[in-house]
Order: sequence, then structure tokens, then C-alpha cells
Amino acid sequence: EVQLVESGGGLVQPGESLRLSCAASGFTFSSFSMNWVRQAPEKGLEWVSYISSSTSTKYYAGSVKGRFTISRDNAENSLYLQMNSLRDEDTAVYFCARDVAGGSLDYWGRGTLVTVSS
Amino acid sequence: DIQMTQSPSTLSASVGDRVTITCRASQTISSWLAWYQQKPGKAPKLLIYKASTLESGVPSRFGGSGSGTEFTLTISSLQPDDFATYYCQQYNSYSRTFGQGTKVGIK
Repeated sequence: EVQLVESGGGLVQPGESLRLSCAASGFTFSSFSMNWVRQAPEKGLEWVSYISSSTSTKYYAGSVKGRFTISRDNAENSLYLQMNSLRDEDTAVYFCARDVAGGSLDYWGRGTLVTVSS
Repeated sequence: DIQMTQSPSTLSASVGDRVTITCRASQTISSWLAWYQQKPGKAPKLLIYKASTLESGVPSRFGGSGSGTEFTLTISSLQPDDFATYYCQQYNSYSRTFGQGTKVGIK
């Protein structure tokens, strides 16, 4: 059974950093590209970042480019999101999701809540 | 960046109704479009990919069509379990973009 479990969320102040993790199991993690998607409270989905299976390609939404860094450890079956210079508007539930068929997202974790507030 | 616009933002329907949701892309995306269903407090669920291909395990009352810039999600006969928010997502460009969502409520 495919499972994605996010962790690392919490309450931080504006300007601080946080690192999210996503533990994958039930599939060959190294064969799949992965994404982070977020959802602010009572708002819609916002794609955040993509990383290819080999880590050679990474993409970011304009709203996080230069502040967030996506990475992965295929030996550990783990996906990461390093978030620096956090802003109030980064407050959201962050989901990791598996990328298939060229870009649709077929498996999602339950998400981890990041709250940025002073 | 490619923008995705869904309509309507909300709709009210009854069990058994045929429901149609539209998604428009700001530029052509071929058939690189997916549809998701999300219920409160849950992760989104993939329904359709490549505009019209039904994800495994998704009921056949869900259907997708379109190409280029205009796409449609149709639920042929709305069931109680279908009251949720639906999102389209493009994956034509190096980035992915979601529509703003359509909330399907009970009439």
C-alpha cells in the first residue's frame, strides 16, 4: 500500500525557517517524481514545488522561489522541503504528492500544518 | 505562468442531477489536465488525468472531456458521496497550476 506521511510542521514566527519531511513507503520511491502542494485555511490548493526522480530537475512556484528548497533522499525514501524566510502567507497545510502520467498527482499524504505568526 | 479558471465557484444540486464543471486555461495545455475531489479535512483524490482518463477505482459516473484551453468534468448522476470541492490542475508547463475550486453542495 502506498503511503506518504508528512512531518515537521508547527508554529514559527515570520522570518524563521522550518524543514518539512515526507516519508514514502509501498512503492519504489526512486522511480517517481514528487511534489509539495499547500492549502491555506479555507482556501484552494496551491502547487509549491516539484522534484524529478533523479533530483536533476526542480521547479518552484513564484511565491516561494528563492525561499524554499525541495530535496529528496532516495536511499531513505524521503522528500524534504526547506522553508526559509517564512511569511504569514505561508501558513497552510502542506501535502506531499506523487507525480505520475506526466504530472497528475495520484497519491497524497494527509498533510502537515505550518503556522507562521508572531 | 498558466492560469486556470474554474466555473462555477459553487453550485447546488440534488442527488441524481447531472453536474458539469468547466475549467479554462490561459493558454493551450493540450490534454495535460487532471481533476481532483477534496472533502473537508482530507487530502485531494485524483479522479481523472490526461483530460479524460478515469483513475483506477473511480466510479464511471465521473467523466472528463476537452483539450487545448477548455475542459469539463461531468458527474452523470450525483450521489451523496459526491458532495465535495473539485479542482482542475494543469501539468503542461514546467510548473503545475490548480484552478480555484468548485464546491458542490446540497440543494
